[in-house]
Amino acid sequence: DTAVSQTPKYLVTQMGNDKSIKCEQNLGHDTMYWYKQDSKKFLKIMFSYNNKELIINETVPNRFSPKSPDKAHLNLHINSLELGDSAVYFCASSPGQGTQPQHFGDGTRLSIL
Amino acid sequence: SQQGEEDPQALSIQEGENATMNCSYKTSINNLQWYRQNSGRGLVHLILIRSNEREKHSGRLRVTLDTSKKSSSLLITASRAADTASYFCATDAGANSKLTFGKGITLSVRP
Repeated sequence: DTAVSQTPKYLVTQMGNDKSIKCEQNLGHDTMYWYKQDSKKFLKIMFSYNNKELIINETVPNRFSPKSPDKAHLNLHINSLELGDSAVYFCASSPGQGTQPQHFGDGTRLSIL
Repeated sequence: SQQGEEDPQALSIQEGENATMNCSYKTSINNLQWYRQNSGRGLVHLILIRSNEREKHSGRLRVTLDTSKKSSSLLITASRAADTASYFCATDAGANSKLTFGKGITLSVRP
């Protein structure tokens, strides 16, 4: 059973389109995250939700909008995609906030044409 | 700027040898964690060391933390080809703080 699963695994789309990435965790964790990993493997947090409440919102363009319908799901919607959005997006979860080990999904590779 | 900086950036060793990777950080931390990332996969948590701990072991892994030097090292003993991956250190400043990752070290273990 996959603990943190995200779909799709690959996403190839044109500049200007809107797309969504879904994430689900079956670990019973309270906190979920979205990270962006660039081509140099630099990993940066974008958002964090605890029990459906937004707790971390880094300096991310407002074209990116997370949504947590329940604590097991955290989706990421991106409007008006730009070339610089090409990256691998990782979803992660942890039992609580902050300092606990995080469990990562296998990523969604987003390529903008 | 990025909190954690690992070195070397890339390391290539023979199977059976030990691999030592270092991480330095700039500000005070609460915990430091090490993660492994295999190609095309997500990060996997390896070990967490608290700021009041100096050394921790887990199987073939040994992690040290020197808060006076703001540095940590990850030692993998008796390396295997399956240890080939990127390794990241990550720090946090306490409860409700974010986890900040270093740039990662690429380890290649030759069979």
